[in-house]
Amino acid sequence: NAGVTQTPKFRILKIGQSMTLQCTQDMNHNYMYWYRQDPGMGLKLIYYSVGAGITDKGEVPNGYNVSRSTTEDFPLRLELAAPSQTSVYFCASSYSSRRAAFFGQGTRLTVV
Amino acid sequence: KQEVTQIPAALSVPEGENLVLNCSFTDSAIYNLQWFRQDPGKGLTSLLLIQSSQREQTSGRLNASLDKSSGRSTLYIAASQPGDSATYLCAVMNRDDKIIFGKGTRLHILP
Repeated sequence: NAGVTQTPKFRILKIGQSMTLQCTQDMNHNYMYWYRQDPGMGLKLIYYSVGAGITDKGEVPNGYNVSRSTTEDFPLRLELAAPSQTSVYFCASSYSSRRAAFFGQGTRLTVV
Repeated sequence: KQEVTQIPAALSVPEGENLVLNCSFTDSAIYNLQWFRQDPGKGLTSLLLIQSSQREQTSGRLNASLDKSSGRSTLYIAASQPGDSATYLCAVMNRDDKIIFGKGTRLHILP
């Protein structure tokens, strides 16, 4: 089982560039989440989705956009990258609010 | 706004000792609480999930408890081993479907 797959694993962006972080899951999970993790700061929720066509803002949504056109995919879009967006990004999924969440291996993004 | 706090931020103990990690949360209207382990440079691995109606869950040497009314959870690790060295994260699933994390406890088991 692939679980939650994130691509790419590493990326260096220049200030002002844009990119999409990909997340896909093959567990037929309804709930999907995007987090960023900065050193010593735990995980901060960026956006989440409880099903295809539904997305909501988390704790730190500014500078990011998401879409959820299918159950499997939940891409995170960075427009006009800034150094403050240098971080490790994690995608997670869960079948429902009563079930455990599973995480991808992360994308390490550096904006220079 | 839900806030999750983990104490201590870091902990070093000799191998073989039993230890307790603490997690507290400010809003008791949760669906569940989950404990994760994170190794350096890696993703998160789920350890235990406790539903809001449960008091504890056990998996091997790990035991997690939940007191929803007081907003507290503990993760008990028995007979610690060097391989238990990692960061342990606590997360709550709110009624608004957000999963909110604490900052974690960095655990170092001394051989």
